[in-house]
Amino acid sequence: DGGITQSPKYLFRKEGQNVTLSCEQNLNHDAMYWYRQDPGQGLRLIYYSQIVNDFQKGDIAEGYSVSREKKESFPLTVTSAQKNPTAFYLCASHTDSNEKLFFGSGTQLSVL
Amino acid sequence: EDKVVQSPLSLVVHEGDTVTLNCSYEVTNFRSLLWYKQEKKAPTFLFMLTSSGIEKKSGRLSSILDKKELFSILNITATQTGDSAVYLCAMEYGNKLVFGAGTILRVKS
Repeated sequence: DGGITQSPKYLFRKEGQNVTLSCEQNLNHDAMYWYRQDPGQGLRLIYYSQIVNDFQKGDIAEGYSVSREKKESFPLTVTSAQKNPTAFYLCASHTDSNEKLFFGSGTQLSVL
Repeated sequence: EDKVVQSPLSLVVHEGDTVTLNCSYEVTNFRSLLWYKQEKKAPTFLFMLTSSGIEKKSGRLSSILDKKELFSILNITATQTGDSAVYLCAMEYGNKLVFGAGTILRVKS
């Protein structure tokens, strides 16, 4: 079945540690996105990528980094510079011609 | 600054009630408005609206867009406990989607 797979479902980060959230899609979608959701807030855009080897900052990119070496994969690294990383992270994708986003099941990141 | 505002922030109703959720926006270069339902983790798609005044309907849910007044509503009739969720409104402009904070709906039996 086609879809978006995020892993892990739950992740714990220690102080000063970088952690990487995985996002893989087999939908052949060109565009991929990372969103962050905090309690009581909507989804805020961290980074997005329209094509391989290219990505743009979203509204809250500070403290995060991404790569897009393959069409199927768009990993997100939460760096030690992100001082408040505890949140629910959602990866999404869509094709150029279809504006509906497909979402992964998310990763809950917590700080130890 | 582009933004999306949803109201109310939360709502508690009884089964069988009808609810109306609101989404207003201030976005330049508007392309579409989307509604999502989020129950546990990933949001699921409900509607995409691009034209003003045309109602989209799916079972007990319906939605309409007013591009002149810059808002959309999502109606749910004969609510059921399974409708309990967070409902998210999102605006698409350029290459980005901007989401509102969501409306938390709780349907009591």
